[in-house]
Amino acid sequence: LAKTTQPISMDSYEGQEVNITCSHNNIATNDYITWYQQFPSQGPRFIIQGYKTKVTNEVASLFIPADRKSSTLSLPRVSLSDTAVYYCLVGDLILTGGGNKLTFGTGTQLKVEL
Amino acid sequence: EAQVTQNPRYLITVTGKKLTVTCSQNMNHEYMSWYRQDPGLGLRQIYYSMNVEVTDKGDVPEGYKVSRKEKRNFPLILESPSPNQTSLYFCASSKPRDRGFSEQYFGPGTRLTVL
Repeated sequence: LAKTTQPISMDSYEGQEVNITCSHNNIATNDYITWYQQFPSQGPRFIIQGYKTKVTNEVASLFIPADRKSSTLSLPRVSLSDTAVYYCLVGDLILTGGGNKLTFGTGTQLKVEL
Repeated sequence: EAQVTQNPRYLITVTGKKLTVTCSQNMNHEYMSWYRQDPGLGLRQIYYSMNVEVTDKGDVPEGYKVSRKEKRNFPLILESPSPNQTSLYFCASSKPRDRGFSEQYFGPGTRLTVL
C-alpha cells in the first residue's frame, strides 16, 4: 500500500484558497486517492476522491498530475469552520482477494484565522 | 438515516478486564474496519473485514480480536486490556466497488481509558 506524506500543519486566513499536497511516490496502478476531513473528537468525513487529472465537487477540488505521485487538495475561500485535520489516503478496495488494508498518514492540521 | 454506531462512547476500565466495543452499520456495507487514533500518530488500522467471516489484520492488530458473524456488526474485543491501549477508537464501513475506492463512513468514536 502506498505510503503518504503530508505537511504536519498549515495556517491560513478566512477567504483564502488553501492547497494541501500529499506525496505518494509508490502509488499502484489501481489505487485511488481519497481525502478526509476530521474535526476534534469526531470520525473522519469523506471530502473527495479521484484517480487522475482534476476532480471538483461542492466543497473542494483535487488535482492529480499525470505521474500520480502526488495530489493536491484545494479548498476555495476557507472559513473558520474549515479548521480541521485533513488526511490523504491512497488505496483501493477490491471485492476479492487480499490487500485491502488501508493506511492513513498523520494528516495535516489546518488552522484558519480571521 | 445511514450511519455507523459505536457503543460505548466512553469507557474507563482496569488492566486485564475483558471488554467489547460494538460497531454496527445500517448501509449493507461489505467492508468494515477498526482504527485507533493517538496524538501525533494519526489513524492506524487495527483489523478489517471484507465480509461475513472474513477478517484480516491491519497495521496494529496486537492485543485485539474481532469477529464478523453478521454483515452489519463488527465488534472489537480486548481480551486483556493494557494501559497502552488507551486511545480513541473508530469503526468505519464501506462498500467496495469493482473499480476504485468507495468512501468510508466513520462512527462517532469510543474513547477508552485503561488504568
